[in-house]
Amino acid sequence: GIQVEQSPPDLILQEGANSTLRCNFSDSVNNLQWFHQNPWGQLINLFYIPSGTKQNGRLSATTVATERYSLLYISSSQTTDSGVYFCAVDTGNQFYFGTGTSLTVIP
Amino acid sequence: GAGVSQTPSNKVTEKGKYVELRCDPISGHTALYWYRQSLGQGPEFLIYFQGTGAADDSGLPNDRFFAVRPEGSVSTLKIQRTERGDSAVYLCASSLFSSYNSPLHFGNGTRLTVT
Repeated sequence: GIQVEQSPPDLILQEGANSTLRCNFSDSVNNLQWFHQNPWGQLINLFYIPSGTKQNGRLSATTVATERYSLLYISSSQTTDSGVYFCAVDTGNQFYFGTGTSLTVIP
Repeated sequence: GAGVSQTPSNKVTEKGKYVELRCDPISGHTALYWYRQSLGQGPEFLIYFQGTGAADDSGLPNDRFFAVRPEGSVSTLKIQRTERGDSAVYLCASSLFSSYNSPLHFGNGTRLTVT
């Protein structure tokens, strides 16, 4: 099956810093979504982004489908950004989730 | 409610027992997915419904697991003869049409513990 790798696996940031999270996938996909799982386990959809660039406040994402990767940018990080960030790729009927990036933002 | 609702939020059961986990998707969403998440791992696909039918059940680990969605709305995941390895958080998600062309919305999950 398709492989979805995320980097870095863990990240610690000082509040206010910027970061870039990466998602590489091994095959062509129909769609890609980014999720944030907060410390209470809730999964929140951040971006639905099969290609191109989208922005939502301090977050933005870019997917280059032809090169099989996506990037999630977090600017001016806040402690509430802490949690695990997952990318998930759609190959037809199901989404395959990546291994996640665990982000800790310290005040 | 406005979001995906899962009940119960926690379930503790003894090895060998039968359990049912319920998912109420967002109203009007035709696609429904079940995932399982173990500690430190990403969600693992179990089954996908489009309307009342299971479009893809390739993620169900074995025949102890079964899911239904009889009226195209509420879904129930059923686990027979539970084993300790079944302990995980079971997540349900829905989308307007399919994950191909609409965002996925997750519930808060059911934490299943098999003792």
